[in-house]
Amino acid sequence: AQSVTQLGSHVSVSEGALVLLRCNYSSSVPPYLFWYVQYPNQGLQLLLKYTTGATLVKGINGFEAEFKKSETSFHLTKPSAHMSDAAEYFCAVSAANNNDMRFGAGTRLTVKP
Amino acid sequence: DVKVTQSSRYLVKRTGEKVFLECVQDMDHENMFWYRQDPGLGLRLIYFSYDVKMKEKGDIPEGYSVSREKKERFSLILESASTNQTSMYLCASSTYGLAGAGTGELFFGEGSRLTVL
Repeated sequence: AQSVTQLGSHVSVSEGALVLLRCNYSSSVPPYLFWYVQYPNQGLQLLLKYTTGATLVKGINGFEAEFKKSETSFHLTKPSAHMSDAAEYFCAVSAANNNDMRFGAGTRLTVKP
Repeated sequence: DVKVTQSSRYLVKRTGEKVFLECVQDMDHENMFWYRQDPGLGLRLIYFSYDVKMKEKGDIPEGYSVSREKKERFSLILESASTNQTSMYLCASSTYGLAGAGTGELFFGEGSRLTVL
């Protein structure tokens, strides 16, 4: 079985500051890891994903995440926050041959001017 | 681009009413899912389907049923709506999660916000 824990339900940063959203996973098999973003009153949109290969993955809008097996983590970062990054972010885990995707509780990012 | 369309963005229903939420995808995906989203709880899987006429219970199927008569369409049914079913409902689809045949990435609709009075 797989599960995800997102540390911090709310994160607030200033515009131009580093964004760091934390995600730890639990999986008994090699995981597939995802970050999704949800803007107000919309569905979820894929930001980036890790399946195999390079552990540093780059996504849309300047975000990236690093898969660290030893730490069971997949934290999301962006060097410089923009006002348009304000949204809710969800980390999710699944696995090969497995349709069972598990989501974290979400982290709401606020960007202050 | 994959498009997942949910028929109603906002619904208001009364307790005891039967509610249908419709979802259509246009990318010939095998798998379709219904999630419920509540603040602080993330997304919880209600039901999913990996083929026409096939369905599997998720984590919170009580009070819900589903129908998949055609590959592109997956319906969520609340037989007798209750106030605790007030929520955001998200439909998603994906290709089969075998390596080399998709990574199980989900494509979401815009959501249906249901209020039960």
